[in-house]
Amino acid sequence: QKEVEQNSGPLSVPEGAIASLNCTYSDRGSQSFFWYRQYSGKSPELIMFIYSNGDKEDGRFTAQLNKASQYVSLLIRDSQPSDSATYLCAVMDSSYKLIFGSGTRLLVRP
Amino acid sequence: ETGVTQTPRHLVMGMTNKKSLKCEQHLGHNAMYWYKQSAKKPLELMFVYNFKEQTENNSVPSRFSPECPNSSHLFLHLHTLQPEDSALYLCASSQDYRGNEKLFFGSGTQLSVL
Repeated sequence: QKEVEQNSGPLSVPEGAIASLNCTYSDRGSQSFFWYRQYSGKSPELIMFIYSNGDKEDGRFTAQLNKASQYVSLLIRDSQPSDSATYLCAVMDSSYKLIFGSGTRLLVRP
Repeated sequence: ETGVTQTPRHLVMGMTNKKSLKCEQHLGHNAMYWYKQSAKKPLELMFVYNFKEQTENNSVPSRFSPECPNSSHLFLHLHTLQPEDSALYLCASSQDYRGNEKLFFGSGTQLSVL
């Protein structure tokens, strides 16, 4: 059973700090990696995607991928209370199936 | 309207009722999906339609019956549901299926089965 693992949290950080969210996956042949943000009572929204090893930056968000270690992370710089949400990691595996993690709940304290 | 719209937002039904969820996407995408989201569990893929043809049925019980009349519309027909079917049902679309698909979700239907 191919899996995507995330710590459920909550991860609590003070406003202005860097929030680091991690995700590991079991299928070494996985190809594409996505981060979705889901506010309470709302639907998931795609915020980042990464296909190659290394870092990808978009505004305050940085996605990091390490295929050798089978992990992908999301860094949020200068965290704001409005970043408080559940962050879902999704991985497209070697059979082109998109597998979601259970999500990490992030709380940014004012 | 833009994006992916789902109706109704909330639905309460008895186990003997028949109801339908509706989804419409205005993005010109070719693939549409039904997902189930239960508390503390990962999103579960239920069905995939690509160019209005069903390409995935993820071992979903027959009490859930999808319908895709065209690439922009998707329905989920519900009948004789069980209380454990209570969950958030999300429709999504993507430009392509089995590519590097980026999903766009509708607002979801919060379903309660009594």
